[in-house]
Amino acid sequence: QQQVKQSPQSLIVQKGGISIINCAYENTAFDYFPWYQQFPGKGPALLIAIRPDVSEKKEGRFTISFNKSAKQFSLHIMDSQPGDSATYFCAAIKLGAGSYQLTFGKGTKLSVIP
Amino acid sequence: DTAVSQTPKYLVTQMGNDKSIKCEQNLGHDTMYWYKQDSKKFLKIMFSYNNKELIINETVPNRFSPKSPDKAHLNLHINSLELGDSAVYFCASSPLAGLSYNEQFFGPGTRLTVL
Repeated sequence: QQQVKQSPQSLIVQKGGISIINCAYENTAFDYFPWYQQFPGKGPALLIAIRPDVSEKKEGRFTISFNKSAKQFSLHIMDSQPGDSATYFCAAIKLGAGSYQLTFGKGTKLSVIP
Repeated sequence: DTAVSQTPKYLVTQMGNDKSIKCEQNLGHDTMYWYKQDSKKFLKIMFSYNNKELIINETVPNRFSPKSPDKAHLNLHINSLELGDSAVYFCASSPLAGLSYNEQFFGPGTRLTVL
């Protein structure tokens, strides 16, 4: 069963617009919520991450908003650029001794058109 | 230099064959992982090793056997390949996990096609 649900599956945004991707999770024991960006033919790369005791985190044009009571978090990309076109994955992490497991959403393919 | 590298990048083989994918990281990390990304881009963890010791072993057919000769290497051997094994396999590594979050660094992936 999927513990992290991501929407939309695909998104087309005009250059300069705001891209918004949403995720919802089911397990309240998650400790961290990262977002990964994946370009075609490449591995995922960490974009930004947030802890559940923080409601918002901003890094440049990328912002995570976190709603703990609703078990939802979202990625906002301000001033979207064609270079932002990629697949974005939200994820949830449960920390543990020795290792931890990334549970990914199903991904959102973002296309930013000029 | 590439932090997490995988070989080969592409692998095309017949059903029933046995194949291996190799992964190496030069980041000095203690923990390594294998993920499978299916045709719909869904990423799912398969295995995790910490200092050569198996930590996570998700529900994966026992045809898949990871091997970690040292903490910088984690190889994936697949026996009796099936059509459904076709996917992109990603290796990743992270510093020793614990009570704080450490980023996982992903390799470029190995695209396996079973004919």
